Parts: sequence; C-alpha cells; structure tokens
Amino acid sequence: GAGVSQSPSNKVTEKGKDVELRCDPISGHTALYWYRQSLGQGLEFLIYFQGNSAPDKSGLPSDRFSAERTGGSVSTLTIQRTQQEDSAVYLCASTPYTGELFFGEGSRLTVL
Amino acid sequence: DAKTTQPNSMESNEEEPVHLPCNHSTISGTDYIHWYRQLPSQGPEYVIHGLTSNVNNRMASLAIAEDRKSSTLILHRATLRDAAVYYCILRDTYFGNEKLTFGTGTRLTIIP
Repeated sequence: GAGVSQSPSNKVTEKGKDVELRCDPISGHTALYWYRQSLGQGLEFLIYFQGNSAPDKSGLPSDRFSAERTGGSVSTLTIQRTQQEDSAVYLCASTPYTGELFFGEGSRLTVL
Repeated sequence: DAKTTQPNSMESNEEEPVHLPCNHSTISGTDYIHWYRQLPSQGPEYVIHGLTSNVNNRMASLAIAEDRKSSTLILHRATLRDAAVYYCILRDTYFGNEKLTFGTGTRLTIIP
C-alpha cells in the first residue's frame, strides 16, 4: 500500500540524546503535518509544510524541536537534547492540499 | 482558530444509530467541518466533511445546522469497530491558514 510511512515505529532513548523521526508522505501530496499525542491526550499540532516551506511552525514546543522537508517529499522531525516530557507518539499526515489528511501509524518515542 | 466543543464521552448499543454532536458557534463562512476518528493505537482517519449541506458517504452522514453553529455526525448502525475517539475540526479554505487544530474529541464506547 502507498500510505504514509513513519520510522522508526518505536524509539527508546536516554534523556539528553538527539532523535530523528522520519515521515514518507503519499506520493504527490503537497502538504505535510506533524502532530504529537501524549498518553491519553488529544493531538497537538507541531508544524505544517506546504512543499518544502513551513508556513506555520507555531506548534513547535521549544527550540530543541526542528523539522525539514526536502524535495517536497520526505520530512524529518529532530528533537535535540530529549527530555522525559518529549515522550509521546509523533504522528505525520499528508494531504493533497484541499483534501483529507492521511495519517501514518506514528512513531512512539520514550525518553528514559 | 475557530474552536469546536464536543462531549468527552458517549456510549451506544451495537447495531443502534449514533449521533455525535459538535458545537462550533464561532465558525466563519469559509470553514469546512471535518470529522476524523482514531481507533485504539492507530493514527486518525478521515470520516467525512461538509460546508453547508448535509453529506453522506459509506462511513457516516454529516448533518449541519442551518446556521452552521453546530453539526452532528451520524453512524447509522454502530458496530464494535466504531469504538474510537471522534474529532470534529474546522478547516479554513484560504491558502496559508492550514493549521488544523484537533480538540479532545468524543470517546465513543459501543456496548455489545
């Protein structure tokens, strides 16, 4: 199937380490979103890409969080110097702009 | 962002219809009403969306109030697989304002 693919599906890291989470959107989808979901909570918007640019980064919680998108396709979310409060499921979604969002299964991050 | 209000939880019997309400009293004229649902341990999936008229698809129906300040997602015959968190969100159609904010949603429990 050609759905949204995220990797790794699970990541356990130690406090203070950097992590990278990858999202492969559906081919041809112009917009890409990152959300995170803490245990038992709703979805928290992080950042949105239209092509390779990010018109809205307002949801990034701190300067330890950054994201990029290259070639209008793959996106990487980087968390530097991870903290325990960063533990969550990080969800990526893509959309052909005006259409529905297609979500991946998420990357579960656990910071020890 | 225009906000939505949903009940925290609802219960329904299997094979009965379910009506999930959503209030959006500050909706603007260009906001579409979208519904997503999130099954346990999965990313959200699109259910349905509409602007002014009622909408039907294979998953559900969306009834939109005449003043657009509220809407109702209708599952015509609930099954156990419909147990999920249902999110009602508003999406502005104007380019550059594509931040999609998910609330806490309604947790639907289906009773066998």
